[in-house]
Amino acid sequence: QSVLTQPPSASGTPGQRVTISCSGSSSNIGSNYVYWYQQLPGTAPKLLIYRNNQRPSGVPDRFSGSRSGTSASLAISGLRSEDEADYYCAAWDGSLSVAVFGGGTQLTVL
Amino acid sequence: EVQLVESGGGLVQPGGSLRLSCAASGFTFSIYSMNWVRQAPGKGLEWVSYISSSSTTIYYADSVKGRFTISRDNVKNSLYLQMNSLRDEDTAVYYCVRDSGRDGYTAWGQGTLVTVSS
Repeated sequence: QSVLTQPPSASGTPGQRVTISCSGSSSNIGSNYVYWYQQLPGTAPKLLIYRNNQRPSGVPDRFSGSRSGTSASLAISGLRSEDEADYYCAAWDGSLSVAVFGGGTQLTVL
Repeated sequence: EVQLVESGGGLVQPGGSLRLSCAASGFTFSIYSMNWVRQAPGKGLEWVSYISSSSTTIYYADSVKGRFTISRDNVKNSLYLQMNSLRDEDTAVYYCVRDSGRDGYTAWGQGTLVTVSS
């Protein structure tokens, strides 16, 4: 199982706001930046959020990230059908000297 | 345009070896750290290995340590992954990933499929 824990699935209707959680420990989320990646069906992952809450250029401001203690979350507001994808959180684990990913959350837009 | 193009995947028997390559273009390859990340069929992402820009720092996931070797050639703008003693559980799509440090994994290749099966 993954070092970072995410819910396997989430869902929402168009226009809704959904949040995806990511739980870790003091050696990863608690002391290092959190990143979020979006993987659309059949494609490679893409960076969505970096340094906990920063958006790369081109990522809509509907996407936002936050971190508190050893947990992080990704919020998507104004949900759209094209947001249907798998979402992964990631961080560096200083104790293990490895990068760690969450197990991924499959988002369904109903 | 930033491009990462993996090659070298294929079908290999358990215990066999394979060498993956990643050709980088559209950016100054020599100043970026790089990673390999894999994804087993229908599963999530798993980080495999990291190499710094000058190859001085290298890390591996425990699952591949002692079997896989990451390397790079900054003249050829290429990243490699030598995979030995392959196991069924190494079956996955392997992605070449550009590491922008605190800015995250900012570029991903399209992936190359490695299938370990007898």
